[in-house]
Amino acid sequence: DAGVIQSPRHEVTEMGQEVTLRCKPISGHDYLFWYRQTMMRGLELLIYFNNNVPIDDSGMPEDRFSAKMPNASFSTLKIQPSEPRDSAVYFCASSFIQGQNEQFFGPGTRLTVL
Amino acid sequence: DQQVKQNSPSLSVQEGRISILNCDYTNSMFDYFLWYKKYPAEGPTFLISISSIKDKNEDGRFTVFLNKSAKHLSLHIVPSQPGDSAVYFCAATLTYTGTASKLTFGTGTRLQVTL
Repeated sequence: DAGVIQSPRHEVTEMGQEVTLRCKPISGHDYLFWYRQTMMRGLELLIYFNNNVPIDDSGMPEDRFSAKMPNASFSTLKIQPSEPRDSAVYFCASSFIQGQNEQFFGPGTRLTVL
Repeated sequence: DQQVKQNSPSLSVQEGRISILNCDYTNSMFDYFLWYKKYPAEGPTFLISISSIKDKNEDGRFTVFLNKSAKHLSLHIVPSQPGDSAVYFCAATLTYTGTASKLTFGTGTRLQVTL
């Protein structure tokens, strides 16, 4: 298996623009997680899905952030409009056994908002 | 409010010596703890974990110790190798809720193993 795939790997955009980050989880995994990594706060969970249904979005910072999972093999995280403080590395992770706890992470998308 | 804290942002250790990375947590309900390792430009990868019913778990050169009364865990790497140079994240979760494992991560400790 190729592991969790994220695209793009790097994104540079200007303030006010819409940004869409993409994730393909490991086949067969039924949990998908979106995280944001910053120096100050480390890895923060933004939202997670189970069987394509959002379970907990309490970590989503503002209404500017939205996430979807239209099918088991694809998820998006959208920021509209983007702001400089959104600059961070965004990770997608997936897991397949409830309670097993080990999550498999993608390589991340480094977002820079100018 | 940071429920999982790694107070040392960086650590430098000589090759062959022991590396000790520390992690503190505030939520006494956490019952499962994990360590992840992260190389630059890669996602974190799972390293080792421990359940709250244990106080030690060992896997090769890596040992995690849990002190529930102090709400403290540590990761020992011995002997340390240059390839261990990475950022280490501590994470905690509650497993009894019956829902997916929502991990709470610390801010990470950058370990550098020098020759």
